[in-house]
Amino acid sequence: QKEVEQNSGPLSVPEGAIASLNCTYSDRGSQSFFWYRQYSGKSPELIMSIYSNGDKEDGRFTAQLNKASQYVSLLIRDSQPSDSATYLCAVNQQSNYQLIWGAGTKLIIKP
Amino acid sequence: DVKVTQSSRYLVKRTGEKVFLECVQDMDHENMFWYRQDPGLGLRLIYFSYDVKMKEKGDIPEGYSVSREKKERFSLILESASTNQTSMYLCASSRTGTPIFYEQYFGPGTRLTVT
Repeated sequence: QKEVEQNSGPLSVPEGAIASLNCTYSDRGSQSFFWYRQYSGKSPELIMSIYSNGDKEDGRFTAQLNKASQYVSLLIRDSQPSDSATYLCAVNQQSNYQLIWGAGTKLIIKP
Repeated sequence: DVKVTQSSRYLVKRTGEKVFLECVQDMDHENMFWYRQDPGLGLRLIYFSYDVKMKEKGDIPEGYSVSREKKERFSLILESASTNQTSMYLCASSRTGTPIFYEQYFGPGTRLTVT
């Protein structure tokens, strides 16, 4: 069974600091990697996708992918209290066109 | 903006009832998905559909069925609700193509309680 692993947290970060969220995956054939943000009681929202090794930046968010080490990370710069949420990592499963989801990391930004 | 709507935000049903959850998307997406989400677990795929009248089983299809008669609408049916189907049900949609197939847009969710 292919897996995606995330630290459940909570990860507590001071406002204005960099939050670093990590995810490892087991399917070496995976090619597509996603970060979703989920506020409490709400549904997941796609915030970043990355498909090749290296960094991808979008505003305050940077996704990093290292296929050799099978990990993907999300950096949030200048963290704001509104960034407090659970962040879900999702990775495509090459064999059956499904996404494999991590259980999520709860992030708390302290004012 | 992609909009995915679900018929109910909260639903309470009794054991043994037949339950219908409906999902509608307005962006002409080919693919639609039903997931359930439980505390401490990742999202688990129940069924997905890549075209009208087409469906594929996900990881946990037992006890569920689906219907897609129109492109914009995807229904999840609990044939005989049981307490272990108490969960948050999430509908999602995406376009066809790689990798955008995996860029899924979610509805607000239906929190189902079976008593």
